[in-house]
Amino acid sequence: GENVEQHPSTLSVQEGDSAVIKCTYSDSASNYFPWYKQELGKRPQLIIDIRSNVGEKKDQRIAVTLNKTAKHFSLHITETQPEDSAVYFCAASTSGTYKYIFGTGTRLKVLA
Amino acid sequence: ETGVTQSPTHLIKTRGQQVTLRCSSQSGHNTVSWYQQALGQGPQFIFQYYREEENGRGNFPPRFSGLQFPNYSSELNVNALELDDSALYLCASSLYTREQYFGPGTRLTVT
Repeated sequence: GENVEQHPSTLSVQEGDSAVIKCTYSDSASNYFPWYKQELGKRPQLIIDIRSNVGEKKDQRIAVTLNKTAKHFSLHITETQPEDSAVYFCAASTSGTYKYIFGTGTRLKVLA
Repeated sequence: ETGVTQSPTHLIKTRGQQVTLRCSSQSGHNTVSWYQQALGQGPQFIFQYYREEENGRGNFPPRFSGLQFPNYSSELNVNALELDDSALYLCASSLYTREQYFGPGTRLTVT
């Protein structure tokens, strides 16, 4: 069935360093890949997304890359700050369908 | 533009009872999706409503049901509550099946 694997489950980095979170999806028809940030006790917030007709997308310190052949996509955060500490979820969806399949989450800790 | 809202914030129910959770979609959005998020896990898709009709369902039993109203708000109903139903229930609104924006969630505890 449809599945999204996410690694690592926890990630600690020093402030100013980069962080990379990786996801692999199983459904080759998936063509939309959002990333959400969820702080403790708060709602998931959409931070960036990418569609399958694009290989990379960047928004300030955040970037997402997509390798359709390998069915991998990754979130890259540069110059990390303490406020980047949160749980990050990747998801995969197929155009014309309705559901997001979420990964299991990565708890990012940025150490000051 | 108003964001997605949910009520209540927290709820405690006893096994076997029934519960109704409510969601108001973001202005301009016509689609509502419901997710269950167990502690330490990613959200799991329950179902989606579009134009007051169920538009897809995840692997949840029929005791999970829903409604969407003409103003695009939505309800999630769960009958015969089980201990494993304890979770954070999130709704997300979108325009058709595009980017989904989540509400703050309802924390349900079943004892």
